[in-house]
Amino acid sequence: DGGITQSPKYLFRKEGQNVTLSCEQNLNHDAMYWYRQDPGQGLRLIYYSQIVNDFQKGDIAEGYSVSREKKESFPLTVTSAQKNPTAFYLCAIRGPTPYNEQFFGPGTRLTVL
Amino acid sequence: GDSVTQMEGPVTLSEEAFLTINCTYTATGYPSLFWYVQYPGEGLQLLLKATKADDKGSNKGFEATYRKETTSFHLEKGSVQVSDSAVYFCALSRSGAGSYQLTFGKGTKLSVIP
Repeated sequence: DGGITQSPKYLFRKEGQNVTLSCEQNLNHDAMYWYRQDPGQGLRLIYYSQIVNDFQKGDIAEGYSVSREKKESFPLTVTSAQKNPTAFYLCAIRGPTPYNEQFFGPGTRLTVL
Repeated sequence: GDSVTQMEGPVTLSEEAFLTINCTYTATGYPSLFWYVQYPGEGLQLLLKATKADDKGSNKGFEATYRKETTSFHLEKGSVQVSDSAVYFCALSRSGAGSYQLTFGKGTKLSVIP
C-alpha cells in the first residue's frame, strides 16, 4: 500500500531450494512484519522487526529466516526446511499512530513445483 | 491469549442488499479494532478502525462500532455493490511491551451478485 513494494509477484521454486522474497518500504517506518496466508486460515505471523538489526519470531517461524540490515528492507528467506511453502506471503509495516494499525504490500505468491 | 472470531462465509448477497459481518473478540484491556479488506490477488487494505469503546469507524459506506460490553465490532453496509466483493478480515491490536502484533480473524468472503 503506497510505499510498500514486494517482489516478485509470482515465484516458483523447486523442492529443496531456498528462495528470498523482497519487501521494501520508503515510508521511514520502524516496524515491519511478514505474514503467511493460506486459504481459509487467515494470516499467520512469521517474523517481525521493530528496529534495524533486530527481529523476533512469530507464530510460524520454523523454516524461515529474515534479516534487517537497513530500515527500508526486510527480506524473507523460505528455506528448504519449510515443509509446505506454497502460500501467499504478505509484508506489512506498522503505522505511525499509537493504535498499531498495519499497512500491507501487494504480496508474493510462492509455488513449489 | 487474544483471539478474533468472525462469521464464516462465504456470504452471497444481491446488489443493494444490507450487509452485516459479525466479529467478536477476546482480549484483556482495551484493544484497538480494525477491519481490513482484501481483493483477489492483492494485499490487505485498512478499511476502518476504532480505538476505544463506543467509537464508530466508517469508510466508503462501511461502518463498525466498538462495543465493549458485547466484545463485538460488526461490519455493516447499507447497500452493497458488486465492487464490494472481497474477503473481509477483523483484527485487534494490543499495545504493550514487545510486539505490537495484530490478531486476525480467519476472514469472511463476500460475493455480491448483480
